Amino acid sequence: QQQVKQSPQSLIVQKGGISIINCAYENTAFDYFPWYQQFPGKGPALLIAIRPDVSEKKEGRFTISFNKSAKQFSLHIMDSQPGDSATYFCAASMGSPDSWGKLQFGAGTQVVVTP
Amino acid sequence: ETGVTQSPTHLIKTRGQQVTLRCSSQSGHNTVSWYQQALGQGPQFIFQYYREEENGRGNFPPRFSGLQFPNYSSELNVNALELDDSALYLCASSLLGVTYNEQFFGPGTRLTVL
Repeated sequence: QQQVKQSPQSLIVQKGGISIINCAYENTAFDYFPWYQQFPGKGPALLIAIRPDVSEKKEGRFTISFNKSAKQFSLHIMDSQPGDSATYFCAASMGSPDSWGKLQFGAGTQVVVTP
Repeated sequence: ETGVTQSPTHLIKTRGQQVTLRCSSQSGHNTVSWYQQALGQGPQFIFQYYREEENGRGNFPPRFSGLQFPNYSSELNVNALELDDSALYLCASSLLGVTYNEQFFGPGTRLTVL
């Protein structure tokens, strides 16, 4: 059973547009929420991550918004570029050292950026 | 470049056979986690190895087993292969005990079970 629910399954955005991907979770013990980017034939690579003590984190064109009360978080990709075309996964884990590395992933969102 | 390597890249087996996949962790990392990624799905946590012992397991049957060696490299063994075991198997290394330390994923091994 999916502990992290991700939507949409896919999206197409024009170059320069904004891509928005949403995730929801149930387990209130989760306290680390990373986003991974995966290109075909490659393993996932960490894009950006957030902890629940902040509501937003921005790194370059990528922003995570976090709503603890709603148990939701989202990834915004600003000024989308064709090189951003990839599959994006949200994930969650508990933050204690014993739980580190045991990520629960969403099902993924395939993003296609058209020229 | 993450430094996590996996072998082989691709593998074809038949139902009922056994398979061993290998992972070399990034230098300085002491923990390896294994994930199964079915086509079109997110990775599912199989188990984690730390100090050569299993340190947590996801919802996978005992025919999925592993090893970690003193150099922190790891193996994933799957016995009695089933068709549904066809997937990309990913390993990720990290440094346990360092809170919020990043996990680095390898490129994966694509297993096809016929």
